[in-house]
Amino acid sequence: ETGVTQSPTHLIKTRGQQVTLRCSSQSGHNTVSWYQQALGQGPQFIFQYYREEENGRGNFPPRFSGLQFPNYSSELNVNALELDDSALYLCASSAQDDEQYFGPGTRLTVT
Amino acid sequence: AQSVTQPDIHITVSEGASLELRCNYSYGATPYLFWYVQSPGQGLQLLLKYFSGDTLVQGIKGFEAEFKRSQSSFNLRKPSVHWSDAAEYFCAVGARRSNYQLIWGAGTKLIIKP
Repeated sequence: ETGVTQSPTHLIKTRGQQVTLRCSSQSGHNTVSWYQQALGQGPQFIFQYYREEENGRGNFPPRFSGLQFPNYSSELNVNALELDDSALYLCASSAQDDEQYFGPGTRLTVT
Repeated sequence: AQSVTQPDIHITVSEGASLELRCNYSYGATPYLFWYVQSPGQGLQLLLKYFSGDTLVQGIKGFEAEFKRSQSSFNLRKPSVHWSDAAEYFCAVGARRSNYQLIWGAGTKLIIKP
């Protein structure tokens, strides 16, 4: 059974640019959640997708957007990057309303 | 306000010694409580969770946690730590059995002395 994978592992972007992060969910999981973890902090919930529809959103601006594909993989897009967007972005997959399994994360640095 | 407090940013413990990591929460509804571990380069792994019933819950890797409603606490314990337990530990609280939209603590970094 393949676990949750994320790409890329690391990414460096310039302020104002746009970035796309990718997540492949674990086999049999139809729900993907995204989190932002700033250095020295716990994760913050960004949003969740269930069967290609947004199913909940945390306190993040609209420049954070996402997609879920028919195979339940997902993308996180961030427009107009700001320095404070530098963080570890974590993806987690689950069957609906069940335990989440986390990927290793993508480390985004905005300069 | 809803919050989770992990008072200890770092804890250093000798290998073989016992461990207790503290977690206090403020939450308006009946809480569902979780402990996660994060190792460098790894994602978050669920150690244990409390939904209801017995207030002492057992988890993986020999960890346990006790829910004390009167103290709004959910402390994590292990009787004897191993060098492989060195990692960052996060406590989280939510209102659903599904563990999204959790409120997370800032984490406690566990350092193991040989």
